[in-house]
Amino acid sequence: AQSVTQLGSHVSVSEGALVLLRCNYSSSVPPYLFWYVQYPNQGLQLLLKYTSAATLVKGINGFEAEFKKSETSFHLTKPSAHMSDAAEYFCASSQGGSEKLVFGKGTKLTVNP
Amino acid sequence: DAGVTQSPTHLIKTRGQQVTLRCSPISGHKSVSWYQQVLGQGPQFIFQYYEKEERGRGNFPDRFSARQFPNYSSELNVNALLLGDSALYLCASSPPGGIYGYTFGSGTRLTVV
Repeated sequence: AQSVTQLGSHVSVSEGALVLLRCNYSSSVPPYLFWYVQYPNQGLQLLLKYTSAATLVKGINGFEAEFKKSETSFHLTKPSAHMSDAAEYFCASSQGGSEKLVFGKGTKLTVNP
Repeated sequence: DAGVTQSPTHLIKTRGQQVTLRCSPISGHKSVSWYQQVLGQGPQFIFQYYEKEERGRGNFPDRFSARQFPNYSSELNVNALLLGDSALYLCASSPPGGIYGYTFGSGTRLTVV
């Protein structure tokens, strides 16, 4: 069964610092992988997705993620944090041909001025 | 273009009651999925419907049911509500295939008292 683990339920960075949110997946076959962001009292917004094309994926708002099969990881990064990045971030996976998403527990990002 | 719309936005019910949540997908999207997000957790998959047929069901009791209409809108029904059903219920729509990413609505916040 597929599973997603997000390391660190809370991450705090200073404005302008590097953002690194960690995600590891467990799957018998390479899955499709997604990062979503959730602002308070809102739904989920897709940041980026990996679907077996390029391993370095660029998303919206300056975020990117790299798929590393050897490490079963799909970490999310942003070179310079902005105050507006403060939100909760979810990593999710799905198997090809299936539309069920399996989510991690989320990482709450705080950006300090 | 309208995104995924869900109604109502907030709902308060008493234990033992029944509730119906509604979702309208993005125009052209034939697949609708439902997720439950308990406070502090990642979303959990409940149902997926495509072309009015159930394509997947998560680990939820039979008190949870859903259906999809000819216009691809969907309803989620929960009977005999328990306090533990209090959560944000998210609807997501997508084109078929699962690789395009899922567009989520803003959710319905259900509180059971």
